[in-house]
Amino acid sequence: AQTVTQSQPEMSVQEAETVTLSCTYDTSESDYYLFWYKQPPSRQMILVIRQEAYKQQNATENRFSVNFQKAAKSFSLKISDSQLGDAAMYFCAYRNRDDKIIFGKGTRLHILP
Amino acid sequence: DTAVSQTPKYLVTQMGNDKSIKCEQNLGHDTMYWYKQDSKKFLKIMFSYNNKELIINETVPNRFSPKSPDKAHLNLHINSLELGDSAVYFCASSQARGPEQYFGPGTRLTVT
Repeated sequence: AQTVTQSQPEMSVQEAETVTLSCTYDTSESDYYLFWYKQPPSRQMILVIRQEAYKQQNATENRFSVNFQKAAKSFSLKISDSQLGDAAMYFCAYRNRDDKIIFGKGTRLHILP
Repeated sequence: DTAVSQTPKYLVTQMGNDKSIKCEQNLGHDTMYWYKQDSKKFLKIMFSYNNKELIINETVPNRFSPKSPDKAHLNLHINSLELGDSAVYFCASSQARGPEQYFGPGTRLTVT
């Protein structure tokens, strides 16, 4: 069974600085998807970024980018120029071939003004 | 405009009661899901339906029964509610084999 591990329960970053959230996963599949979801205090789950395992190029979405290391089974999220609105829980997630998404336990990100 | 909607957003009820949470999506997606987020924010899939057919059924007590009247709706009925059922329940949808799942706003269920 696949697992997703986020080793940082909480992190803080100064506004306008860069922060990296870590995620590792375990799988025997070769074809899968990885995601980062954001959950602000409103509790809405918002898709931040997606990475297909077959793509070597790291996904980017504006200030958000990933460092995908398939061999190491690592999928970290980098947030550049952090803004107050980035404060939220961030969940790393893995989608397997059975269409099931497995979530990590989340990292709570605080933005310091 | 709402893509995935859930009703109600908040539900407070007593132990032993039966309650339902409704979910509707207007994205034209074929697959819908129910997730449970516990008090520690851990999010876990409960069920998925593809075009009204049950696909994923995780180890969930049979007091929980999903019902899909059509592919745009997936309701969750819970019998004999227990304290441990208190959680936030999320509905989501995706295209068949599409990677992303789009989440509803969640329903906070509190059992007293």
